[in-house]
Amino acid sequence: ETGVTQTPRHLVMGMTNKKSLKCEQHLGHNAMYWYKQSAKKPLELMFVYSLEERVENNSVPSRFSPECPNSSHLFLHLHTLQPEDSALYLCASSQAQDSLSGANVLTFGAGSRLTVL
Amino acid sequence: GQNIDQPTEMTATEGAIVQINCTYQTSGFNGLFWYQQHAGEAPTFLSYNVLDGLEEKGRFSSFLSRSKGYSYLLLKELQMKDSASYLCAVRDNDYKLSFGAGTTVTVRA
Repeated sequence: ETGVTQTPRHLVMGMTNKKSLKCEQHLGHNAMYWYKQSAKKPLELMFVYSLEERVENNSVPSRFSPECPNSSHLFLHLHTLQPEDSALYLCASSQAQDSLSGANVLTFGAGSRLTVL
Repeated sequence: GQNIDQPTEMTATEGAIVQINCTYQTSGFNGLFWYQQHAGEAPTFLSYNVLDGLEEKGRFSSFLSRSKGYSYLLLKELQMKDSASYLCAVRDNDYKLSFGAGTTVTVRA
């Protein structure tokens, strides 16, 4: 497989459930990202891992818990979510961002569509 | 915070030209990106501008004016497959990428 793969593509869960979203990249990148995409709103950056260390945590509620076991895999663990958390969750990867990196384009996965009942 | 504005929707006819504007106010500037996102699919990279001027890539061109905090994406010879959302994103001095809400372009026959 190539590119960035996200599973599951669709997830419906109750507010008391615990589930996880998975992201895998086969591009040799060393930075991975979680974004939240809600209708008619800008993509919101949630978490950034660079060289397997978390470098960004944008005031995300603790009911979202990321995990990056290695540079190719990224998880988002979900528990006691709220209906307003329903959205498309996008994973992306790139080379680590620094002053020498040039364009350093983010490559996105197709997303996991989450519905919280 | 970062502020990136682009129109919500645009409609054009097959074969025509459409220009999607993007204005931004960010803490520093380190590049502007345009992405295309078809419904239910991943955003895909279209263009990158870091210096003022026009970058041309086939039917798509992107322009940047850093002094005006302004960019546009120009889509020429529109095809039905160009119906999608177009996302403007700006990278700041901390290398954080902030996105606009996206412009949905509908191409009609």
